[in-house]
Amino acid sequence: GDSVTQMEGPVTLSEEAFLTINCTYTATGYPSLFWYVQYPGEGLQLLLKATKADDKGSNKGFEATYRKETTSFHLEKGSVQVSDSAVYFCALTAYSSASKIIFGSGTRLSIRP
Amino acid sequence: EAGVTQFPSHSVIEKGQTVTLRCDPISGHDNLYWYRRVMGKEIKFLLHFVKESKQDESGMPNNRFLAERTGGTYSTLKVQPAELEDSGVYFCASSQDSRREQYFGPGTRLTVT
Repeated sequence: GDSVTQMEGPVTLSEEAFLTINCTYTATGYPSLFWYVQYPGEGLQLLLKATKADDKGSNKGFEATYRKETTSFHLEKGSVQVSDSAVYFCALTAYSSASKIIFGSGTRLSIRP
Repeated sequence: EAGVTQFPSHSVIEKGQTVTLRCDPISGHDNLYWYRRVMGKEIKFLLHFVKESKQDESGMPNNRFLAERTGGTYSTLKVQPAELEDSGVYFCASSQDSRREQYFGPGTRLTVT
């Protein structure tokens, strides 16, 4: 079945460091890909998305590119801030079941000043 | 505009007891979803309502879980009797239609002792 695998955390970085959180997926057809973020005490928020191969999603300085050849959707940010500390979830929706979001296990990111 | 709200934010119950979680979707959203994250693992889909009808309940783990959405507004998720493995965070989400963005609530943390 469809699934998402993302790098395990926790990940701890210093402020202004470069961030990569790896995500790969398994899906039939052409899924849409997402990154969600959960800040402390808050609900899940959509961070960015890409709906077809080679699309780049971006928001708040974060970027991820839909790579069909490697079935990947890695999250990157050039310079992280303390306020980026949160749990990040990679996710997909399959074309055949667009209403059901399939999530990865989440990566906790902590940024130290 | 109010977001998705969930009640309670945290519930601690003993094994064998009953707990009812509530979700109030964004006003006007016909689609309502329940997900849960157990033991820090991936967030898993439980079920999907369209108005008061269950569109997809393929993720419901067993018959100890009962979801309702009478009148097509708020939804409840009852766990009876609760088991230790039911501990986790239960998220609710809503959307205008099944192919549009799902907006998540802050979750209910359920602890079964």
